[in-house]
Amino acid sequence: KNQVEQSPQSLIILEGKNCTLQCNYTVSPFSNLRWYKQDTGRGPVSLTIMTFSENTKSNGRYTATLDADTKQSSLHITASQLSDSASYICVVSPLTGNQFYFGTGTSLTVIP
Amino acid sequence: SQTIHQWPATLVQPVGSPLSLECTVEGTSNPNLYWYRQAAGRGLQLLFYSVGIGQISSEVPQNLSASRPQDRQFILSSKKLLLSDSGFYLCAWSGTISYNEQFFGPGTRLTVL
Repeated sequence: KNQVEQSPQSLIILEGKNCTLQCNYTVSPFSNLRWYKQDTGRGPVSLTIMTFSENTKSNGRYTATLDADTKQSSLHITASQLSDSASYICVVSPLTGNQFYFGTGTSLTVIP
Repeated sequence: SQTIHQWPATLVQPVGSPLSLECTVEGTSNPNLYWYRQAAGRGLQLLFYSVGIGQISSEVPQNLSASRPQDRQFILSSKKLLLSDSGFYLCAWSGTISYNEQFFGPGTRLTVL
C-alpha cells in the first residue's frame, strides 16, 4: 500500500534555531518527492522536488535530502524565522497514474 | 503564467443545503484537476480528480460530486450538506506527467451548521 508518513506531528522551536522534519514513504515505483509549505488558511506551495537520482537540494534556508534506498526524506530549516511557522507536507508521486500521495504534515511553530 | 482561482473563499451553510464550489485555471490547457478536503489539523484527502472534460474519478464515497464542464473548470457539488462536510477545500492542477508539480488554489473554508 502506498503511504507517506511524517514526523514529528508538531514542533515548536525558538527563532534562529534549526530543525529537521522527516518523511518516510512506501510509494512504488517512485518518481519524485516534494516538500510543500502550507500557511494557515492557504493552499500549499512547493519548496523543493527530489527525483530518484538526487540526494540533496536547497532552496534558501530549506535543504531537502532523499535516500531512495531507505525511502526516507528530510527537510532541514536553518536559522528559523517567525514566518517559517506553517505546516510542511511531504508529497510523493509514483511513476504511473495521476495521483499524489500526501503525508499528514508537520506543524511547525517558531516562537520569538 | 498559470493561475488558479477558487470561490468563494469562505462559506457558511446549514445542514441539508446544497453546495457548489468552483475552481478555474488560467494559462494552461488540458490540466489534470483535483479536489482535496483538509479537516482541521489533518492531512489532505483526495476527493476527486479529472484528466479531461467530463472525466471524473472519485476516491472517497460520500455525498459530494464533481463535474468538469470545461477544460479549465472544476466544480464540487452536493445536494444536501452534512455536518461532516465542514473543512478546507482545495483545488489543484498539474501537468499530464507525474514529474509535474501540483499547484494549489487559495482554498474555500466551508462551515456546515
